[in-house]
Amino acid sequence: IAGITQAPTSQILAAGRRMTLRCTQDMRHNAMYWYRQDLGLGLRLIHYSNTAGTTGKGEVPDGYSVSRANTDDFPLTLASAVPSQTSVYFCASSEGRNTGELFFGEGSRLTVL
Amino acid sequence: QQQVKQSPQSLIVQKGGISIINCAYENTAFDYFPWYQQFPGKGPALLIAIRPDVSEKKEGRFTISFNKSAKQFSLHIMDSQPGDSATYFCAASPHGGSEKLVFGKGTKLTVNP
Repeated sequence: IAGITQAPTSQILAAGRRMTLRCTQDMRHNAMYWYRQDLGLGLRLIHYSNTAGTTGKGEVPDGYSVSRANTDDFPLTLASAVPSQTSVYFCASSEGRNTGELFFGEGSRLTVL
Repeated sequence: QQQVKQSPQSLIVQKGGISIINCAYENTAFDYFPWYQQFPGKGPALLIAIRPDVSEKKEGRFTISFNKSAKQFSLHIMDSQPGDSATYFCAASPHGGSEKLVFGKGTKLTVNP
């Protein structure tokens, strides 16, 4: 089934550890995004990429980094995890930055202790 | 800075009733207003969207009403069903800026049988 695959589904992580959340799409979409979802705060954009080779900062980028080496993959890295990064992380994609509709993965639940 | 204000935070309706969720925005540059539906444990999925050149858009039991002068838009779910129980997010973005999509904080809808 075409769409976005995120891994891991859930993870418990010790503070200070490095963690990479993986995201792969098979729709050949140009744009990809990482959001975090926290209760009462909705969805907040962390980083985005409008096309392979480019990335940009969203609303809450601190403590996170991304790369976009090719069209399909958009990993999110936490260099040194902190408890405030406990959240559900969603990867999304869109055909382009003008099309509006975002397609979301099923999320990665991360707990930092 | 919350650019899209969504209310209510939670909503309980009886089967067959009408569910109404409201959103207000401030940025007059917004020209795309989608609603996303999210079931527990899943990623958000586009439900319905509207652009400001129309005042209403209907898709089945779901209707968006848009009031440009008041900078408000709302989602109406007619004949609400238990299967509609989910969290609903309104969002808004300016033209040519999917990375600028801003989400409301969400409304948890429960439809009782």
